[in-house]
Amino acid sequence: QSALTQTASVSGSPGQSITISCSGTSSDVGGYNVVSWYQQHPGKAPKLIIYEDTKRPSGVSNRFSGSKSGSTASLTISGLQAEDEADYHCCAYAGSRFRLFGGGTKLIVL
Amino acid sequence: EVLLLESGGGLVQPGGSLRLSCAASGFHFTTYAMSWVRQAPGKGLEWVSSVSGGGGNTYYAESVRDRFTISRDNSRTTLFLQMNALRAEDTAIYFCAKDYCSGTSCVNDYWGQGTLVTVSS
Repeated sequence: QSALTQTASVSGSPGQSITISCSGTSSDVGGYNVVSWYQQHPGKAPKLIIYEDTKRPSGVSNRFSGSKSGSTASLTISGLQAEDEADYHCCAYAGSRFRLFGGGTKLIVL
Repeated sequence: EVLLLESGGGLVQPGGSLRLSCAASGFHFTTYAMSWVRQAPGKGLEWVSSVSGGGGNTYYAESVRDRFTISRDNSRTTLFLQMNALRAEDTAIYFCAKDYCSGTSCVNDYWGQGTLVTVSS
């Protein structure tokens, strides 16, 4: 299986909203409640911010929200802040512990 | 507090072997499946392997199947990854991660800081 498709980079100004997309197929992203998103600051470990397409783990800001339409998932960050500048990785669970990641999107806060 | 601490990375020649370890604490280790996820320099994340809580079930990405072996020692709350026949394309930071599985999917809710594996002559 090929990696999920993500835009290489996206940018926005503080206070704005941005959306990062993640495209796959009906066998991965299109599955029921299988998409998750991770935030990764430079030199740091990834951090889970969205799971089961739309759920936020405890402690994650409600400025982060997930959605999905068909085989394309989206991560929206509202009220952009400087500390949101990071890489964002989408992931789709395809069963039998197998998970497929996207190539990552670099968010630049202007 | 959940802590995952990887060790064992380093420089190895193509065709060589390396064994990674991940010491876990702060949660009931036996209850949870564990995974290894890697990240090549400047690239995205790649799932490598997972093992069930009891250690009896193992899962591998096609790219490492038959070369890598995942295992765990629940008495020492430690996860391992034995890597054989290493290739240049295995060069990456290797992260140890705890699995959280719901009815529909599994995600990695806690991650270690990673250990760097460099395969080069």
